[in-house]
Amino acid sequence: AQTVTQSQPEMSVQEAETVTLSCTYDTSESDYYLFWYKQPPSRQMILVIRQEAYKQQNATENRFSVNFQKAAKSFSLKISDSQLGDAAMYFCAYRCIQGAQKLVFGQGTRLTINP
Amino acid sequence: GAGVSQSPRYKVAKRGRDVALRCDSISGHVTLYWYRQTLGQGSEVLTYSQSDAQRDKSGRPSGRFSAERPERSVSTLKIQRTEQGDSAVYLCASVLGGGTEAFFGQGTRLTVV
Repeated sequence: AQTVTQSQPEMSVQEAETVTLSCTYDTSESDYYLFWYKQPPSRQMILVIRQEAYKQQNATENRFSVNFQKAAKSFSLKISDSQLGDAAMYFCAYRCIQGAQKLVFGQGTRLTINP
Repeated sequence: GAGVSQSPRYKVAKRGRDVALRCDSISGHVTLYWYRQTLGQGSEVLTYSQSDAQRDKSGRPSGRFSAERPERSVSTLKIQRTEQGDSAVYLCASVLGGGTEAFFGQGTRLTVV
């Protein structure tokens, strides 16, 4: 079974600084997708960034980028120039391309931005 | 509507009663998921269904949890004989297919008393 692990229940960063959230996963599949979702207090999950496993290039979306290490099964999220609006729960997620295609989430990391 | 909506936003149920939570997903989306989100256990998949609207593929089989999908873009999560441990936020998400993003509703906060 696929599992996703986020080892940092909470993280904090000073506004305008850079923070990295960790995520590791376990799978025997070779083709899959990885996601980072943000969940603000309103509870609605919002996609931050997506990575296809077959792509070696790390995905980037403005201030958000990932460090995807397929062999190590690691998928960390880097937030540059942190803003107060970045404060939220962040969830790492995995979805297999074939078969059941279940979307599996990690436990989440609560990110606090200090002004 | 443009997104996924869930109703009700808040639900209080007496222990032992059955509850039904509704999700209106996005037209055309193939896969629909139900998650239970708690502080201690994160987001666990309860059930999900794919293009065959009549079949419910349970990610975590449980006799008390079931989902019906009477229409492609509507799902109802039913919880029978609620227990206090069922108190949580229940999230619905739908996916068009493949590696596209999942769109989430705002969730239903269920409190069992």
